[in-house]
Amino acid sequence: GQSLEQPSEVTAVEGAIVQINCTYQTSGFYGLSWYQQHDGGAPTFLSYNALDGLEETGRFSSFLSRSDSYGYLLLQELQMKDSASYFCAVSRVNRDDKIIFGKGTRLHILP
Amino acid sequence: GAGVSQSPSNKVTEKGKDVELRCDPISGHTALYWYRQRLGQGLEFLIYFQGNSAPDKSGLPSDRFSAERTGESVSTLTIQRTQQEDSAVYLCASSSIAGGHTDTQYFGPGTRLTVL
Repeated sequence: GQSLEQPSEVTAVEGAIVQINCTYQTSGFYGLSWYQQHDGGAPTFLSYNALDGLEETGRFSSFLSRSDSYGYLLLQELQMKDSASYFCAVSRVNRDDKIIFGKGTRLHILP
Repeated sequence: GAGVSQSPSNKVTEKGKDVELRCDPISGHTALYWYRQRLGQGLEFLIYFQGNSAPDKSGLPSDRFSAERTGESVSTLTIQRTQQEDSAVYLCASSSIAGGHTDTQYFGPGTRLTVL
């Protein structure tokens, strides 16, 4: 079967750094994406990795290791507005290239 | 507008009634997805349309759920004989499979369905 595992909740302090991990087991792999969702809002795209290594976009970075079937989202200089749920998602190369989402990690930020 | 739109934004219905939810994807996007998200939960894949290929219906929870899409435009998700367990936000997303970074999904605002 297909599965993505990520922690259900993470708590961090404002101004700190937090890492949200994602491990996946899928039939085929093309890329790993991360999405952010605030309460009551729709998910919005954050980052995408197709190759091993680190992708940096401002305060957010995303890492992928294809050999380990593992990735993470790194959030730096945390702000209260970063309190949200974060989903990893795998794109697979198959007939349909359907994307599979993890169950999400709820990030709580303390002042 | 340039984004994905969904209607209605909110729908309250009585148990046993049928409901129809609509999604207008971004123009030119060949892929369209429906997800269900219960309160405080993750995204549950329902169905996927890609161009003129047969849709992937593997996520539909029961035969009460069905969806259609005309070409690469509007899609409707129909839930027949609604049950209270169907109460959730139904999200639609579209993406463009056109090479390069092709996998970004753009989500609509969702339809919040409440079954009384």
